[in-house]
Amino acid sequence: GDSVTQMEGPVTLSEEAFLTINCTYTATGYPSLFWYVQYPGEGLQLLLKATKADDKGSNKGFEATYRKETTSFHLEKGSVQVSDSAVYFCALSPNTGGFKTIFGAGTRLFVKA
Amino acid sequence: GAVVSQHPSRVICKSGTSVKIECRSLDFQATTMFWYRQFPKQSLMLMATSNEGSKATYEQGVEKDKFLINHASLTLSTLTVTSAHPEDSSFYICSVSGDWTEAFFGQGTRLTVV
Repeated sequence: GDSVTQMEGPVTLSEEAFLTINCTYTATGYPSLFWYVQYPGEGLQLLLKATKADDKGSNKGFEATYRKETTSFHLEKGSVQVSDSAVYFCALSPNTGGFKTIFGAGTRLFVKA
Repeated sequence: GAVVSQHPSRVICKSGTSVKIECRSLDFQATTMFWYRQFPKQSLMLMATSNEGSKATYEQGVEKDKFLINHASLTLSTLTVTSAHPEDSSFYICSVSGDWTEAFFGQGTRLTVV
């Protein structure tokens, strides 16, 4: 079945460091891909999305490109801030109707001042 | 898009009691809603698909008699955790889908069973 694999955390970075969180997926057809962020004690927030191959999603300095050839959707940010500390979930929706969402395990990011 | 509201945001209940969680689609009539569960420091796992006017579809391993789902209207789905036990303590979150390119999530309900 469809699945999402993302790098295990926690990831600890210093402020202004470069961030990469790897994400690969397995799916039939052409899923939509998402990154969600969850701050401590809160619900999910959509960070960015891409709905077809080669699309680049971007928001708040974060970017991810839908790579069908490598089935990847890696999250990057050029300069992280302490306020970016959160858990990041890579996810897909199979595009077969209904938008069931399949999540990766989540990667916890700690950013030190 | 859609605005999704869950209630309550936090609930503490005694072991053996039942607790109901509401998921409301405030500005969209949702024929389908999804319920997810998140254990501490883990990912979100789909529990069930809630279909308006019909029985919910449960994922493998989810006890339908323990987690009762009712989707009686196009704007409301409820999840009732029956005879709750401490191992049911978790974060429960719902989502609504429609003719968009993404799902919209509620803010979640943190259930603690003592």
